[in-house]
Amino acid sequence: EDKVVQSPLSLVVHEGDTVTLNCSYEVTNFRSLLWYKQEKKAPTFLFMLTSSGIEKKSGRLSSILDKKELFSILNITATQTGDSAIYLCAAQETSGSRLTFGEGTQLTVNP
Amino acid sequence: EPEVTQTPSHQVTQMGQEVILRCVPISNHLYFYWYRQILGQKVEFLVSFYNNEISEKSEIFDDQFSVERPDGSNFTLKIRSTKLEDSAMYFCASSEPRSLEAFFGQGTRLTVV
Repeated sequence: EDKVVQSPLSLVVHEGDTVTLNCSYEVTNFRSLLWYKQEKKAPTFLFMLTSSGIEKKSGRLSSILDKKELFSILNITATQTGDSAIYLCAAQETSGSRLTFGEGTQLTVNP
Repeated sequence: EPEVTQTPSHQVTQMGQEVILRCVPISNHLYFYWYRQILGQKVEFLVSFYNNEISEKSEIFDDQFSVERPDGSNFTLKIRSTKLEDSAMYFCASSEPRSLEAFFGQGTRLTVV
């Protein structure tokens, strides 16, 4: 059975801190790893990673994939209160495009 | 910016009733999905749809569920006889053929009483 595990499940930091969120996966026909931010309702797309070792960046957020060790990390530098959300990691299969989600990391950034 | 839209945002229904959840995917997308998230739990895949047919479905997607693309824009999820355990947030998503990055709608919160 495909499995995606995120850690930590919950994280509380102060504004300005840097955080690293972890995601490990066991997926039979792995194609890519996606990161989403879920604030109130819908998951909002952040990154899709398909190749090992190539960092993707968007402002203060960055992410990288290690296909040998089967994990990905999401880094957020200089955190702001607006970064408070649940961050979801999902693995995508090659056979179709089903996404298998992790439990999410609840990030709280305090002023 | 194009987005996936879902209606209604919240639906309350009695156990045993049929519900139809509606979605308008992003216009140039060709892959459509339904996911659900029971309160406090993971987002779970239900079904994917491509070229007017189901391309994949999960164990959750049993005979009580069906999907349809009745016209060129709408994508619907029907639950024939709702159960209490169907209460969840239902998300529609769509993706374009090459990138397969899935974009999600705001969700429909279904409450079965």
